[in-house]
Amino acid sequence: GAVVSQHPSRVICKSGTSVKIECRSLDFQATTMFWYRQFPKQSLMLMATSNEGSKATYEQGVEKDKFLINHASLTLSTLTVTSAHPEDSSFYICSARVLGQGSNEQFFGPGTRLTVL
Amino acid sequence: AQTVTQSQPEMSVQEAETVTLSCTYDTSESDYYLFWYKQPPSRQMILVIRQEAYKQQNATENRFSVNFQKAAKSFSLKISDSQLGDAAMYFCAYRKGYSTLTFGKGTMLLVSP
Repeated sequence: GAVVSQHPSRVICKSGTSVKIECRSLDFQATTMFWYRQFPKQSLMLMATSNEGSKATYEQGVEKDKFLINHASLTLSTLTVTSAHPEDSSFYICSARVLGQGSNEQFFGPGTRLTVL
Repeated sequence: AQTVTQSQPEMSVQEAETVTLSCTYDTSESDYYLFWYKQPPSRQMILVIRQEAYKQQNATENRFSVNFQKAAKSFSLKISDSQLGDAAMYFCAYRKGYSTLTFGKGTMLLVSP
């Protein structure tokens, strides 16, 4: 199946700093990538939908100035958490949708655990 | 808006036994997709099985099968011959066409030897 990678897998940062998380589709082109946030023992919460070459669409309640998303190519999307605070600590998961397949299946990355001190 | 409900926060099963996880959804659409995803302790989301709403036949993938009742808007997952490796959080999800996935809250499956 299609493979989605995320980097880093874990990151610890100080409050007030910015953190960038990369999401790559390794063996397919993805016109659309999704960013999710997951708190412990909870479901995935969609933060934004990212289309290659255009601005991301954010879900209600998600601060676009805090969570900057860039989808510069068909294989790479980045999520930057700006001026991170402890409440931003969470598990962030990206997903990429395969271009051209009828079912438009989404493949998920392994996630990034962010800890803000 | 579509909603997906998983009414069982946690289920337990013994190895080699069969367990069924429940999922109901609400939609006014007639054509859509339904999914079951598995999230083991590694947190990697893994697609278990997919069902297209226009297909009457229930999807099957090895030990995993679904009972899709379109009129009742029910989509349960049956795991046969349960294995220790099946222990995970299971999420039911709905998607209409090119739209985003709507997830349920998940069911934690515990498997005992």
